[in-house]
Amino acid sequence: DQQVKQNSPSLSVQEGRISILNCDYTNSMFDYFLWYKKYPAEGPTFLISISSIKDKNEDGRFTVFLNKSAKHLSLHIVPSQPGDSAVYFCAAASGGSYIPTFGRGTSLIVHP
Amino acid sequence: DSGVTQTPKHLITATGQRVTLRCSPRSGDLSVYWYQQSLDQGLQFLIQYYNGEERAKGNILERFSAQQFPDLHSELNLSSLELGDSALYFCASSVGERGGFTDTQYFGPGTRLTVL
Repeated sequence: DQQVKQNSPSLSVQEGRISILNCDYTNSMFDYFLWYKKYPAEGPTFLISISSIKDKNEDGRFTVFLNKSAKHLSLHIVPSQPGDSAVYFCAAASGGSYIPTFGRGTSLIVHP
Repeated sequence: DSGVTQTPKHLITATGQRVTLRCSPRSGDLSVYWYQQSLDQGLQFLIQYYNGEERAKGNILERFSAQQFPDLHSELNLSSLELGDSALYFCASSVGERGGFTDTQYFGPGTRLTVL
């Protein structure tokens, strides 16, 4: 049973537009959420995180939104750049089970 | 470059065989984590070591084992290999023992294992 779900395997966006990557979770014990970016032939790289006490966290062009009641989070990239083309993994953790549980990833392609 | 190194990059072997994957964490990191990524799957946590001791266990098969040595490098041993063990195996490291929660996990580039 997948506790972290990324239902869109891929997303295609034009350069300069907004990219929105979505993630749903089922375990209400999760209280810390992370996004990782992965380029081919490299390991995942931490991108941004959010604690459950917040509903938004921003870092430059990247913003993560958390809707606890819907058990949903999203990553917004504005403006999108071709270098953002990568696989994005959503992950969730809790104080009791601190090892992050990962989703299957969404492949983002940003077209010039 | 995350500072985490994994060897080998690629490994091709036959069913029933045994292989060893190696990971060197970032300088100063005490925790090492092993993950498996099968085709179209997310990263599945296998096992964590912190300063030489097993700290957490995930969905690791009994045919798999790991250890962390005094110099903090880690090895993942996979035995009696099956076709379904073909996957990318990632190692990650963190400073503390709650990486991913209280401190950042840094991932290596992975070892691609192909079992024929």
